Amino acid sequence: DAGVIQSPRHEVTEMGQEVTLRCKPISGHDYLFWYRQTMMRGLELLIYFNNNVPIDDSGMPEDRFSAKMPNASFSTLKIQPSEPRDSAVYFCASSFALGVGTGELFFGEGSRLTVL
Amino acid sequence: GIQVEQSPPDLILQEGANSTLRCNFSDSVNNLQWFHQNPWGQLINLFYIPSGTKQNGRLSATTVATERYSLLYISSSQTTDSGVYFCAVREGGGNKLTFGTGTQLKVEL
Repeated sequence: DAGVIQSPRHEVTEMGQEVTLRCKPISGHDYLFWYRQTMMRGLELLIYFNNNVPIDDSGMPEDRFSAKMPNASFSTLKIQPSEPRDSAVYFCASSFALGVGTGELFFGEGSRLTVL
Repeated sequence: GIQVEQSPPDLILQEGANSTLRCNFSDSVNNLQWFHQNPWGQLINLFYIPSGTKQNGRLSATTVATERYSLLYISSSQTTDSGVYFCAVREGGGNKLTFGTGTQLKVEL
């Protein structure tokens, strides 16, 4: 398997623009997670899905952020409108459910977002 | 939620030296992973180790779940070991992985 695939790897945009980050999880994994990494806050969980259904979005910072998982092989994280404080690296990760597999989490290479 | 503390926060080693990184967590867990974030930002899986001991080359890890800690051992360190080492845990009954603040390691020649 190719692992978790994220795109774009780098995005530079201007404040107010819409940003869409994309993720393809490892085939067969039941869970998909979106994390954000910043110097100030470290790695923080934004939202996670189980079988394409959002389970916990308590980490989503505000209404400007939304995430979808229309099918088992694709998820998006959208920021509209973007602000400079959204600049961060956004990671997608996936895993099997505990009991199905070990629940070990695998990360994509991240999408580095810069909002000017 | 569960608290995850890592120590030391920073570490500088001479190449060839050994080191031990520690991860303490505040509640029972059903999953513990160690990751290495390399200088390019990639998060590399090192160990999935909710309990017991595992070894992989120069690295080994031990988790004592009943005492709520895990240790990562690096032997004969190399410059390529530089980066940030994260411990992450999944609470018993839960599904999300909570990360510690990491140990920043620099290995010098």
